[in-house]
Amino acid sequence: EDQVTQSPEALRLQEGESSSLNCSYTVSGLRGLFWYRQDPGKGPEFLFTLYSAGEEKEKERLKATLTKKESFLHITAPKPEDSATYLCAVQDTGRRALTFGSGTRLQVQP
Amino acid sequence: DAGVIQSPRHEVTEMGQEVTLRCKPISGHDYLFWYRQTMMRGLELLIYFNNNVPIDDSGMPEDRFSAKMPNASFSTLKIQPSEPRDSAVYFCASSNRWEKLFFGSGTQLSVL
Repeated sequence: EDQVTQSPEALRLQEGESSSLNCSYTVSGLRGLFWYRQDPGKGPEFLFTLYSAGEEKEKERLKATLTKKESFLHITAPKPEDSATYLCAVQDTGRRALTFGSGTRLQVQP
Repeated sequence: DAGVIQSPRHEVTEMGQEVTLRCKPISGHDYLFWYRQTMMRGLELLIYFNNNVPIDDSGMPEDRFSAKMPNASFSTLKIQPSEPRDSAVYFCASSNRWEKLFFGSGTQLSVL
Protein backbone atom coordinates (compact mmCIF):
# COMPACT_ATOMS: atom_id res chain seq x y z
CA GLU A 1 0.00 0.00 0.00
CA ASP A 2 1.28 3.45 -0.95
CA GLN A 3 2.23 5.67 1.98
CA VAL A 4 3.12 9.36 2.15
CA THR A 5 4.39 11.05 5.32
CA GLN A 6 4.94 14.79 5.55
CA SER A 7 6.90 16.72 8.15
CA PRO A 8 6.67 18.93 10.01
CA GLU A 9 2.90 19.08 10.51
CA ALA A 10 3.13 22.83 11.01
CA LEU A 11 5.85 25.40 10.45
CA ARG A 12 5.99 29.04 11.41
CA LEU A 13 8.59 31.25 9.70
CA GLN A 14 9.48 34.88 9.72
CA GLU A 15 9.35 36.65 6.39
CA GLY A 16 12.64 35.99 4.61
CA GLU A 17 13.52 32.94 6.71
CA SER A 18 14.20 30.05 4.33
CA SER A 19 13.28 26.46 5.20
CA SER A 20 12.35 23.05 3.77
CA LEU A 21 9.35 20.77 3.97
CA ASN A 22 9.82 17.00 3.81
CA CYS A 23 7.77 14.29 2.10
CA SER A 24 8.74 10.65 2.63
CA TYR A 25 7.03 8.03 0.50
CA THR A 26 6.66 4.30 -0.02
CA VAL A 27 5.37 2.96 -3.32
CA SER A 28 5.89 -0.23 -5.27
CA GLY A 29 6.80 1.80 -8.35
CA LEU A 30 6.85 5.58 -8.60
CA ARG A 31 5.25 7.12 -11.66
CA GLY A 32 5.36 10.63 -10.23
CA LEU A 33 5.50 12.75 -7.08
CA PHE A 34 3.35 15.88 -6.87
CA TRP A 35 3.24 19.00 -4.76
CA TYR A 36 0.03 20.96 -4.27
CA ARG A 37 -0.77 24.12 -2.35
CA GLN A 38 -4.06 24.46 -0.47
CA ASP A 39 -5.45 27.74 0.86
CA PRO A 40 -8.18 27.76 3.54
CA GLY A 41 -11.62 27.05 2.10
CA LYS A 42 -10.24 26.08 -1.31
CA GLY A 43 -9.24 22.97 -3.18
CA PRO A 44 -5.60 21.98 -3.69
CA GLU A 45 -3.76 23.79 -6.47
CA PHE A 46 -1.08 22.03 -8.52
CA LEU A 47 2.53 23.20 -8.11
CA PHE A 48 4.99 20.58 -9.42
CA THR A 49 5.42 17.06 -10.74
CA LEU A 50 8.71 15.17 -10.29
CA TYR A 51 9.33 11.90 -12.09
CA SER A 52 12.78 10.58 -11.19
CA ALA A 53 15.44 10.85 -8.51
CA GLY A 54 17.65 13.87 -8.98
CA GLU A 55 15.00 15.92 -10.71
CA GLU A 56 14.35 19.50 -9.55
CA LYS A 57 11.58 21.99 -10.39
CA GLU A 58 11.37 25.67 -9.48
CA LYS A 59 8.61 28.24 -9.33
CA GLU A 60 9.23 31.67 -7.84
CA ARG A 61 10.42 31.09 -4.23
CA LEU A 62 9.72 27.35 -4.32
CA LYS A 63 12.00 24.52 -5.40
CA ALA A 64 11.08 20.85 -5.28
CA THR A 65 13.62 18.05 -5.28
CA LEU A 66 13.29 14.26 -5.39
CA THR A 67 15.31 11.29 -4.16
CA LYS A 68 14.37 7.59 -4.20
CA LYS A 69 12.72 7.85 -0.77
CA GLU A 70 11.74 11.46 -0.22
CA SER A 71 11.07 14.86 -1.67
CA PHE A 72 11.80 18.30 -0.32
CA LEU A 73 10.01 21.56 -0.96
CA HIS A 74 12.49 24.36 -0.35
CA ILE A 75 11.09 27.82 0.34
CA THR A 76 13.56 30.64 -0.16
CA ALA A 77 12.94 34.04 1.47
CA PRO A 78 9.23 33.34 2.00
CA LYS A 79 6.58 36.05 2.05
CA PRO A 80 3.30 36.11 4.01
CA GLU A 81 1.41 35.19 0.83
CA ASP A 82 3.25 31.83 0.84
CA SER A 83 1.24 30.86 3.93
CA ALA A 84 -0.82 27.79 3.06
CA THR A 85 -0.93 24.03 3.50
CA TYR A 86 1.46 22.20 1.20
CA LEU A 87 0.44 18.70 0.16
CA CYS A 88 2.61 15.97 -1.28
CA ALA A 89 1.13 13.11 -3.32
CA VAL A 90 2.45 10.06 -5.15
CA GLN A 91 1.19 8.10 -8.11
CA ASP A 92 2.02 4.41 -8.23
CA THR A 93 2.77 2.90 -11.62
CA GLY A 94 -0.09 0.48 -11.06
CA ARG A 95 -2.71 3.06 -10.11
CA ARG A 96 -4.11 6.18 -11.76
CA ALA A 97 -5.20 8.01 -8.61
CA LEU A 98 -2.94 10.01 -6.30
CA THR A 99 -2.22 9.15 -2.66
CA PHE A 100 -1.83 12.30 -0.57
CA GLY A 101 0.10 13.04 2.59
CA SER A 102 -1.52 14.91 5.47
CA GLY A 103 0.23 18.17 4.57
CA THR A 104 2.40 20.82 6.21
CA ARG A 105 0.68 24.00 7.40
CA LEU A 106 3.04 26.89 6.71
CA GLN A 107 2.61 30.28 8.31
CA VAL A 108 4.89 33.14 7.29
CA GLN A 109 4.80 36.13 9.58
CA PRO A 110 5.69 39.64 8.38
CA ASP B 1 -12.99 28.24 -18.18
CA ALA B 2 -14.79 28.38 -14.83
CA GLY B 3 -12.87 25.44 -13.41
CA VAL B 4 -14.40 22.51 -11.55
CA ILE B 5 -17.72 23.56 -10.07
CA GLN B 6 -19.13 21.91 -6.96
CA SER B 7 -22.46 22.43 -5.25
CA PRO B 8 -23.52 23.08 -2.64
CA ARG B 9 -20.58 24.80 -0.90
CA HIS B 10 -22.00 23.97 2.50
CA GLU B 11 -24.50 21.33 3.56
CA VAL B 12 -25.87 20.81 7.03
CA THR B 13 -28.17 17.86 7.53
CA GLU B 14 -29.43 15.53 10.21
CA MET B 15 -28.37 11.97 10.69
CA GLY B 16 -30.35 9.60 8.52
CA GLN B 17 -31.06 12.09 5.76
CA GLU B 18 -29.98 11.66 2.15
CA VAL B 19 -27.23 13.96 0.91
CA THR B 20 -26.36 14.61 -2.74
CA LEU B 21 -23.20 16.42 -3.76
CA ARG B 22 -22.76 17.64 -7.31
CA CYS B 23 -19.80 18.27 -9.58
CA LYS B 24 -19.28 19.77 -13.02
CA PRO B 25 -15.79 18.96 -14.33
CA ILE B 26 -13.75 21.09 -16.69
CA SER B 27 -14.93 20.65 -20.26
CA GLY B 28 -12.79 18.19 -22.19
CA HIS B 29 -11.42 16.39 -19.13
CA ASP B 30 -11.95 12.65 -19.26
CA TYR B 31 -11.06 11.76 -15.65
CA LEU B 32 -13.15 12.70 -12.63
CA PHE B 33 -12.23 12.04 -9.00
CA TRP B 34 -14.09 12.30 -5.71
CA TYR B 35 -11.91 12.88 -2.62
CA ARG B 36 -12.83 13.39 1.03
CA GLN B 37 -10.73 15.50 3.41
CA THR B 38 -10.73 15.33 7.20
CA MET B 39 -8.28 16.48 9.83
CA MET B 40 -7.66 12.92 10.98
CA ARG B 41 -7.23 11.18 7.62
CA GLY B 42 -6.30 13.95 5.20
CA LEU B 43 -7.32 13.62 1.55
CA GLU B 44 -8.70 10.19 0.69
CA LEU B 45 -9.76 8.99 -2.74
CA LEU B 46 -13.31 7.71 -2.79
CA ILE B 47 -13.85 6.88 -6.46
CA TYR B 48 -12.75 7.92 -9.92
CA PHE B 49 -14.24 7.75 -13.41
CA ASN B 50 -12.69 7.61 -16.85
CA ASN B 51 -14.93 8.59 -19.76
CA ASN B 52 -17.94 8.41 -17.41
CA VAL B 53 -17.16 4.83 -16.34
CA PRO B 54 -16.26 4.08 -12.69
CA ILE B 55 -12.74 2.64 -12.60
CA ASP B 56 -11.81 2.35 -8.93
CA ASP B 57 -14.34 2.61 -6.12
CA SER B 58 -12.24 0.84 -3.50
CA GLY B 59 -12.19 3.99 -1.38
CA MET B 60 -15.95 4.22 -1.01
CA PRO B 61 -16.49 3.63 2.71
CA GLU B 62 -19.58 1.44 2.50
CA ASP B 63 -22.83 0.83 0.72
CA ARG B 64 -24.27 4.07 2.02
CA PHE B 65 -22.09 5.89 -0.52
CA SER B 66 -22.77 5.85 -4.24
CA ALA B 67 -21.49 7.90 -7.18
CA LYS B 68 -22.69 8.36 -10.71
CA MET B 69 -21.51 10.11 -13.83
CA PRO B 70 -24.41 10.12 -16.31
CA ASN B 71 -22.51 12.28 -18.81
CA ALA B 72 -19.18 14.00 -19.32
CA SER B 73 -20.29 17.23 -17.65
CA PHE B 74 -21.92 16.02 -14.44
CA SER B 75 -21.30 13.72 -11.50
CA THR B 76 -23.01 13.12 -8.18
CA LEU B 77 -21.94 11.62 -4.89
CA LYS B 78 -24.81 10.42 -2.73
CA ILE B 79 -24.84 9.41 0.92
CA GLN B 80 -27.92 7.57 2.16
CA PRO B 81 -28.43 7.46 5.07
CA SER B 82 -25.94 10.03 6.33
CA GLU B 83 -24.11 9.65 9.66
CA PRO B 84 -22.14 12.15 11.79
CA ARG B 85 -18.86 10.41 10.85
CA ASP B 86 -19.48 11.42 7.24
CA SER B 87 -18.84 15.04 8.18
CA ALA B 88 -15.91 16.24 6.04
CA VAL B 89 -15.01 18.35 3.03
CA TYR B 90 -15.74 16.52 -0.21
CA PHE B 91 -13.71 17.52 -3.25
CA CYS B 92 -14.26 16.79 -6.88
CA ALA B 93 -11.31 16.97 -9.29
CA SER B 94 -10.92 16.47 -13.01
CA SER B 95 -8.04 15.90 -15.40
CA ASN B 96 -7.21 15.12 -18.99
CA ARG B 97 -3.67 14.11 -18.14
CA TRP B 98 -2.54 11.55 -15.67
CA GLU B 99 -0.93 13.95 -13.23
CA LYS B 100 -2.40 17.43 -13.13
CA LEU B 101 -5.64 17.34 -11.18
CA PHE B 102 -7.83 20.43 -11.04
CA PHE B 103 -9.85 20.57 -7.84
CA GLY B 104 -13.13 22.27 -7.10
CA SER B 105 -13.66 24.40 -4.00
CA GLY B 106 -15.26 21.51 -2.14
CA THR B 107 -18.49 20.87 -0.25
CA GLN B 108 -18.32 21.23 3.54
CA LEU B 109 -20.71 18.57 4.87
CA SER B 110 -21.89 18.59 8.46
CA VAL B 111 -24.12 15.74 9.65
CA LEU B 112 -25.71 16.45 13.03
